[in-house]
Formats: sequence, C-alpha cells, structure tokens
Amino acid sequence: ETGVTQTPRHLVMGMTNKKSLKCEQHLGHNAMYWYKQSAKKPLELMFVYSLEERVENNSVPSRFSPECPNSSHLFLHLHTLQPEDSALYLCASSQVGGTGGNEQFFGPGTRLTVL
Amino acid sequence: TQLLEQSPQFLSIQEGENLTVYCNSSSVFSSLQWYRQEPGEGPVLLVTVVTGGEVKKLKRLTFQFGDARKDSSLHITAAQPGDTGLYLCAGVMTSGTYKYIFGTGTRLKVLA
Repeated sequence: ETGVTQTPRHLVMGMTNKKSLKCEQHLGHNAMYWYKQSAKKPLELMFVYSLEERVENNSVPSRFSPECPNSSHLFLHLHTLQPEDSALYLCASSQVGGTGGNEQFFGPGTRLTVL
Repeated sequence: TQLLEQSPQFLSIQEGENLTVYCNSSSVFSSLQWYRQEPGEGPVLLVTVVTGGEVKKLKRLTFQFGDARKDSSLHITAAQPGDTGLYLCAGVMTSGTYKYIFGTGTRLKVLA
C-alpha cells in the first residue's frame, strides 16, 4: 500500500474516445505528478502540480489535459489519442519543501491501450 | 538535454551472484534516488543519497553517490530471486521547483 491509488488499472480506448484517468493520494503531500512509461524509454514527466502551480513538459501533446481540483486529486483527461500513446501512466506525489527527502510515492499505474 | 544513462540495460544472473548497476550523467544533482519496480506496479523508493561520496546500505544492497554528485551505483550482494525487477535511478534537481530525471532502467532477473 503506497498511499497513492489510480483508477482504472487498465483502459482500452479507440482513437475517437474521451476518457479520464484518476489519481488520489492519501499522504498529505503538496505535489502530484503524471508520468508516461513506455517500453525501452525512461520515465517521462508529463505534468507537475506543485504548491498549486502547474508545471508541464512542453513536449506533451495537447490531447493530454491535466486537472488538479485539490492537493489530493489529480486527473488526466484524454481525447483523440494515437496508438503510440499506449503506455503505462503513473501518478506520483511528494512533499515539496520541509525536511523530507523529496521522495516520490507512485501509484500502481493505468495500463492504457489505444486501438 | 539532461539524461541519466543506466548500465547494463538487462542483466540475468544466478542466485548467489553479485552485481553492480551504474547510473551516470553529465548533470549535477541535489540528490539521487533508486527505485525498484515490479510488473504491474509503480516504482517503489529504495534509497535517497544526498551527499557526494555517500554510501548507504540496505541489507544486501549498497548504494553510492559519486563525489561530484553526477553518478551513482547500486551493488547487490548474493542476489536472490526476490531481487528481480526493474531498477531505476532518478536524479533530483531543486532549482525552483523539484525536477526528477529518471534513468533508462536496468531490468534484473535472478534465476533460482
């Protein structure tokens, strides 16, 4: 139990669908992250919400849209995805500032397949 | 472009053998973390090293941070099948907001 939950765990969608991934952290952290993990590639940071400020990777296509309504919840809205977007999408949280070790706690991920 | 190269990419060894995984970069990091990821799960933090030259031990795992804080190594003594997994290093930069640069990963399989 990592304190970070993600739903759904698996998702299959067509290129014209709209879906959302959900992440919830129960650790009281003040930063949340979306990562993409593809085969044979390093973990790619997509979006960060830290202290209510959004920081994004400029190379992420606009068909991915994050939403962070509060410090415990994070969504990734998906629309008109491409087959190359198929990957494991990981959510993480951390505590920014303070005396912590900047440790990130990851959820189990959503395995996304785009047909 | 900041990059963390890990080597080897794949490693298959017999139970009881020793191994070392390397994580190298041209960038200086505030700290460096090692994670292990098992199939169907997210990465789980093993250790954070902060000081150049620091050595940390976690049972049979020994982690070292390079003196210049650009590289790190993970040494496993007497590997066991339970050590099987994907090992990821992550460099942490704390200029402004926190930034995590993940390595390319080392997939380890320990055979019984």
